[in-house]
Amino acid sequence: GEDVEQSLFLSVREGDSSVINCTYTDSSSTYLYWYKQEPGAGLQLLTYIFSNMDMKQDQRLTVLLNKKDKHLSLRIADTQTGDSAIYFCAKGGNMLTFGGGTRLMVKP
Amino acid sequence: EAGVTQFPSHSVIEKGQTVTLRCDPISGHDNLYWYRRVMGKEIKFLLHFVKESKQDESGMPNNRFLAERTGGTYSTLKVQPAELEDSGVYFCASSQVLGGNNEQFFGPGTRLTVL
Repeated sequence: GEDVEQSLFLSVREGDSSVINCTYTDSSSTYLYWYKQEPGAGLQLLTYIFSNMDMKQDQRLTVLLNKKDKHLSLRIADTQTGDSAIYFCAKGGNMLTFGGGTRLMVKP
Repeated sequence: EAGVTQFPSHSVIEKGQTVTLRCDPISGHDNLYWYRRVMGKEIKFLLHFVKESKQDESGMPNNRFLAERTGGTYSTLKVQPAELEDSGVYFCASSQVLGGNNEQFFGPGTRLTVL
């Protein structure tokens, strides 16, 4: 089956850029998503990219997709303390396959 | 517009007991999904309803889990009897569009602890 993997933890200083990485195994065409989970809250969809795209930018967020390497990344520019959360990448259509989540800690 | 709501937010039960989780999707969303995150691992798909019909229940772990969506509105997920390994966070999501960019809106989850 599909595997989606992420590193567990990332720590950055406020104002720096954060890059959260995700790898997957199934190369079928579909959508790839980034979700954010703050404490006590549900999963909030941040952005998505279709697998025929290489890049998508949305304000401070940049998603890069390397189809050859099956690698997806989320870059957060000018990271703020409010960006501290768990970030999940997910792949699929109706049934989403999630990575294990990356906990981002932003130090003042 | 109200988001996806789930009840209860927390549930602590003993092994062998029964627990029923409830999910109210966003009004008008025909698609309803259940996921769970066990022991800090990946969030895993459980099943997908389209209105009141089960479209895909390939992720249901065993027959101790029963999901229903009578009337195609809210859904319940019953665990009977609960086992220790059922502890985790159960998420519900709903969406309007099937296929394409099927943006799923998630609820806050129900944290289930089985002692």
